[in-house]
Amino acid sequence: GQQLNQSPQSMFIQEGEDVSMNCTSSSIFNTWLWYKQEPGEGPVLLIALYKAGELTSNGRLTAQFGITRKDSFLNISASIPSDVGIYFCAGRQGSNYKLTFGKGTLLTVNP
Amino acid sequence: GAGVSQSPSNKVTEKGKDVELRCDPISGHTALYWYRQRLGQGLEFLIYFQGNSAPDKSGLPSDRFSAERTGESVSTLTIQRTQQEDSAVYLCASSSRTTGGNIQYFGAGTRLSVL
Repeated sequence: GQQLNQSPQSMFIQEGEDVSMNCTSSSIFNTWLWYKQEPGEGPVLLIALYKAGELTSNGRLTAQFGITRKDSFLNISASIPSDVGIYFCAGRQGSNYKLTFGKGTLLTVNP
Repeated sequence: GAGVSQSPSNKVTEKGKDVELRCDPISGHTALYWYRQRLGQGLEFLIYFQGNSAPDKSGLPSDRFSAERTGESVSTLTIQRTQQEDSAVYLCASSSRTTGGNIQYFGAGTRLSVL
């Protein structure tokens, strides 16, 4: 099946630092989604992107839909301890309802 | 309820036993999805229900896995003759036709441990 390559696999940062993670694919996607999962919980949607080049913010989070439609990145500015969790990218192709997920980026924030 | 509800939250079973996992979607959501999440991995699509249409079962890993949904309500995922490799978190999600971009809302999952 389709693969989304998400990197980095994990990050250990100090509180206040900015964070960047990305997802790439060899195939085109027409929707990119970024989810956060905390221990014992299901993924929660952070940002949804629907157009190539789109740049969308949600508080300290900013995500972009790559121009080639084969990648997306997520930035978190001024990280805080509650940003800890696993961040997943997910992509959708055409009118297909299926989402393809990356393997996640585990973020640890040291206070 | 306000969100997607799954039960049980944890299930420990012996190899070879059958298990049933339950999902209550958000009221009014016509679409329901099951995913499997192995430790340290992303979400793996299993099955999709949309209203009364035939489900997309293309992600089910073997014939030991099956799922049912009555109308637009509760769904059950059944794993027969469980194996140790079935150990994972099973996540359910639902979405509404009216939600742009197919936004899926997830439950907290059922953590299945096969001994």
